[in-house]
Amino acid sequence: SQQGEEDPQALSIQEGENATMNCSYKTSINNLQWYRQNSGRGLVHLILIRSNEREKHSGRLRVTLDTSKKSSSLLITASRAADTASYFCATETGAGSYQLTFGKGTKLSVIP
Amino acid sequence: SAVISQKPSRDICQRGTSLTIQCQVDSQVTMMFWYRQQPGQSLTLIATANQGSEATYESGFVIDKFPISRPNLTFSTLTVSNMSPEDSSIYLCSALPFSGRISEQYFGPGTRLTVT
Repeated sequence: SQQGEEDPQALSIQEGENATMNCSYKTSINNLQWYRQNSGRGLVHLILIRSNEREKHSGRLRVTLDTSKKSSSLLITASRAADTASYFCATETGAGSYQLTFGKGTKLSVIP
Repeated sequence: SAVISQKPSRDICQRGTSLTIQCQVDSQVTMMFWYRQQPGQSLTLIATANQGSEATYESGFVIDKFPISRPNLTFSTLTVSNMSPEDSSIYLCSALPFSGRISEQYFGPGTRLTVT
């Protein structure tokens, strides 16, 4: 079954606005990661947050993690047209497997 | 970091045939994975490619349909056997470098397969 569920499934915003995507998961995790995929191409790793962290920043990205609610959010500030892509959360449950379980993704469109 | 290339980038195949996808990493990596992404969907893990031993398959995927090789620490292949239109997907490989940092996987650009 899907570990991660993102919402919204699709998001359309104007350039310069902030974009927030949410991810929920079902089981305990070791860490949660966010990836970006441009138009059916390979995935690019954006940010990783460990289960004992609550918030992390990287450039215009801000990720939060609430393990009590089993949820995470990705905030992209001051969006650009180049941010148009699909964004996936992925959870790693640990136990040395390093396997990732991906959510369904949010398709973000940033309108110039 | 690791740079991953895949061949072919795309292919159109007849049903009943097989296609082998190659994944090459520019540095030695600990673990390699194969994922499938069906049209408009998320990624599903097919298997973990183990160096020098048989791959570890996830539920719903079997070796006869998706044989995998990993002869060394930089290369792996995935074969999609006896293809049907339901196998039309993007197939991606990923790798976990010997970086000491946990879990940051690097992905190849994917192979877009269409089965007619």
